[in-house]
Amino acid sequence: EPEVTQTPSHQVTQMGQEVILRCVPISNHLYFYWYRQILGQKVEFLVSFYNNEISEKSEIFDDQFSVERPDGSNFTLKIRSTKLEDSAMYFCASSLLGYDTQYFGPGTRLTVL
Amino acid sequence: EDQVTQSPEALRLQEGESSSLNCSYTVSGLRGLFWYRQDPGKGPEFLFTLYSAGEEKEKERLKATLTKKESFLHITAPKPEDSATYLCAVQAHTGGFKTIFGAGTRLFVKA
Repeated sequence: EPEVTQTPSHQVTQMGQEVILRCVPISNHLYFYWYRQILGQKVEFLVSFYNNEISEKSEIFDDQFSVERPDGSNFTLKIRSTKLEDSAMYFCASSLLGYDTQYFGPGTRLTVL
Repeated sequence: EDQVTQSPEALRLQEGESSSLNCSYTVSGLRGLFWYRQDPGKGPEFLFTLYSAGEEKEKERLKATLTKKESFLHITAPKPEDSATYLCAVQAHTGGFKTIFGAGTRLFVKA
C-alpha cells in the first residue's frame, strides 16, 4: 500500500541553524501539506502546495519557512533560522484531489537546542 | 473564524462498553470532515472522510456520522487496541486547502 515517507525521523539542531525536512508523498498525489504538532497540543496546519505553488498558508508559516518540490518525488520544508519554539513533530501529508483524504507520514521530530 | 471542538477530552471505557465521541465545527461552508486515529509519537492514520450532512461511514467497530454542525464517531464494543487519540479535522470551501484540527479525544479502553 502506498505511503508517505519522511526523513529524518529525528533532527536535533542548534538555535539559529537552518534545517530541511524531507517528505516523499504518495506518487500520484497532487496536493501536499505540512503540519506541526507541539508536544501535547493539536495538529496545526502550516501550508498547502499544489502545482508548484503555495495555495494556502497559516499565520505560523512566516518568512522563516519555505517549501519546495525540487523534483518529481520530494517535498521539503525549510526553516531558515530555527528557534526554540520550533521544536515539534512535523508531519507531511498528501492527497489526490485537495478536498479528499490526506494521508500523513510518520513525522520528523525536530528538537532545537 | 473556523473552529473545531472535540469532546470529551478523555474517555475511559471498559472493553465492550460502547460510546460516542463528538466533533462540533464552525466553518464557512464545509468542504469535508475527516476522522483520524493517532497513536503516541505517530502520524495521524486516516479513518473516515465525510462530505455532506446525513452521510455515514463504517469500518469494523467504528461508525462516523455527520450533521450540519457536528460529527459523531461511534465505537461499538471497543477493545484495548482501540485505545488512541481520535482527531477530527475540517476543510472549508474558502481558505484554499487549509485543514483545521480539533484537540482530539484520548480514548482508553481497559480489558
